[in-house]
Amino acid sequence: VLTQSPATLSLLPGERATLSCRASQIVNNNVAWYQQKPGQAPRLLIYGSSTRATGVPARFSGSGSGTEFTLTISSLQSDDFAVYYCHQYHGWPPNYTFGLGTKVDIK
Amino acid sequence: QVQLQESGPGLVKPSETLSLTCTVSNGSISSEYHTWMRQSPGKGLEWIGYILYSGSPQYNPALKSRVTISVDTSTNQFSLKLTSVTAADTAVYYCARAPGLTTTVNTKRWALDVWGPGTMVTVSS
Repeated sequence: VLTQSPATLSLLPGERATLSCRASQIVNNNVAWYQQKPGQAPRLLIYGSSTRATGVPARFSGSGSGTEFTLTISSLQSDDFAVYYCHQYHGWPPNYTFGLGTKVDIK
Repeated sequence: QVQLQESGPGLVKPSETLSLTCTVSNGSISSEYHTWMRQSPGKGLEWIGYILYSGSPQYNPALKSRVTISVDTSTNQFSLKLTSVTAADTAVYYCARAPGLTTTVNTKRWALDVWGPGTMVTVSS
């Protein structure tokens, strides 16, 4: 089970966003983060807990290992207000698990 | 650039079988891992299952008894069948791929880096 917190994060543009994802068991660094906007498919932001996917701006960073993971957006842009999901893919072959998401909205 | 596109009926009757196909363009279907996901209206993402390049599937335990995922390398397509559907299966269905053997980065192999746009499937009589 992946538990994301908070469920909703209300912030102003320019502020720092810190999103948390906790795994119920050790998943090493086998965690990805996705961004989803209304009416769109999710977009991969981070894999391997901390590696940005191709084309992802540097203001997005991921950290963590084991059971605790964090996605940080250093300075929110208007395009960043969306829902963010964490995803673990530990094991062989892995049973995928996704968190319920954190919605980042404009305060 | 790899692209995915879902296709199939947008309306399925209760108790019938939902069948969707995902067409992979510019990808190496024989080296990638191909996944089906869904998202009920207003809800989060739910993993349905995936199939490896070797043809071995892995399913969400909660859906395993009703799901079959298969791959056809000759047509660069992979498919989803979900039997005995109910209204609870109404969702946007996405196909997605993980790079699999196309990357040497272990932590990237299972991350879903390309998604189809999704297709809405409604279960209703």
